[in-house]
Amino acid sequence: KAGVTQTPRYLIKTRGQQVTLSCSPISGHRSVSWYQQTPGQGLQFLFEYFSETQRNKGNFPGRFSGRQFSNSRSEMNVSTLELGDSALYLCASSLDGQAPSPLHFGNGTRLTVT
Amino acid sequence: AQKITQTQPGMFVQEKEAVTLDCTYDTSDPSYGLFWYKQPSSGEMIFLIYQGSYDQQNATEGRYSLNFQKARKSANLVISASQLGDSAMYFCAMREGGDYKLSFGAGTTVTVRA
Repeated sequence: KAGVTQTPRYLIKTRGQQVTLSCSPISGHRSVSWYQQTPGQGLQFLFEYFSETQRNKGNFPGRFSGRQFSNSRSEMNVSTLELGDSALYLCASSLDGQAPSPLHFGNGTRLTVT
Repeated sequence: AQKITQTQPGMFVQEKEAVTLDCTYDTSDPSYGLFWYKQPSSGEMIFLIYQGSYDQQNATEGRYSLNFQKARKSANLVISASQLGDSAMYFCAMREGGDYKLSFGAGTTVTVRA
């Protein structure tokens, strides 16, 4: 079974630009969630989607948005990039998003904003 | 308030020895799940082990075992017979009740010495 696939692996953008990250979950998984990982703040929850509906959102500004498609694939978008948005963005999928279903993570997209 | 506390920023362990990684959590929800993840330098988060709040027995998965002390709100990970490939960052995480997100600790870096 293929794992969670995130594209691209690396991105370099300039302040003010926008970026879209993509995530393909494990086949059969309907929940997709996104996390931001930085050295200073650690792993922080961005949002979670299930059957194209956002069920939970973390404490991030409105510049961070996401969506999920009918095939469970998900995208997240960051508009008006700031230097502080430089981070590893991790996507995770699970069967239903609830314990005990573990989250299975992708390799992440490393975003650098200059 | 911090939901997950990992007090050991870094640890060294000799190959073939056991190592215990500490994790304490804070929740008032009687239903929760605790997870441990491993993150090698490549960035991928690898699910290791899960413990539910209502589970009577400590979880075990191969060389990984979870020392779950509910009254003390601790969920320590024990890695037996350490291998060089165990060198990585280890994260403790919790999902509460009907929540869809994981709250992560700051992580513990483990370095296995030959």
